[in-house]
Amino acid sequence: NAGVMQNPRHLVRRRGQEARLRCSPMKGHSHVYWYRQLPEEGLKFMVYLQKENIIDESGMPKERFSAEFPKEGPSILRIQQVVRGDSAAYFCASSPPSPSEQYFGPGTRLTVT
Amino acid sequence: GQQVMQIPQYQHVQEGEDFTTYCNSSTTLSNIQWYKQRPGGHPVFLIQLVKSGEVKKQKRLTFQFGEAKKNSSLHITATQTTDVGTYFCANSGYALNFGKGTSLLVTP
Repeated sequence: NAGVMQNPRHLVRRRGQEARLRCSPMKGHSHVYWYRQLPEEGLKFMVYLQKENIIDESGMPKERFSAEFPKEGPSILRIQQVVRGDSAAYFCASSPPSPSEQYFGPGTRLTVT
Repeated sequence: GQQVMQIPQYQHVQEGEDFTTYCNSSTTLSNIQWYKQRPGGHPVFLIQLVKSGEVKKQKRLTFQFGEAKKNSSLHITATQTTDVGTYFCANSGYALNFGKGTSLLVTP
């Protein structure tokens, strides 16, 4: 059973470009969560999604950030017009229908130059 | 989410010494989860505690949940170099509310 998959693992973008981060949850998991980790910091919750629904996006910046989890395909975290402060590790996690522990993907390290 | 505070922020021990990290909240927690993140890696689930006063053991790791469900601890007996990493506690509703973690460095 493959774990949570994220791609790309590393992403470099210039200021003003768009970043698209992908996450495929574990098989059988219908809940997806995105977290951001700044250097030397803990993980901060961004958004919680189920298939075709955003359940809680209270941790998402109001502008430039969006997330989706379509009926088919991976969950996408999209950052428009990136700025240097967006440089961080972005982790996706998934859990089964009765949420308990979360299984994390390897993360996408975003660097904005 | 409910705020959880972790201490210490860093701990440097000699291999074979014990290590403890503490997780505290000003409010009652429904449960507490512990994760480990190796340098450059991703968080890996260790355990979940739900009951007041609960104690769970995993080999050299002992996890406790306080009687008032406002604090928790992780104790590692006789640390090894493989224990290096950052240990996070997290309070969960559906989303995890992480503490800032305790970074453990073990020198041989």
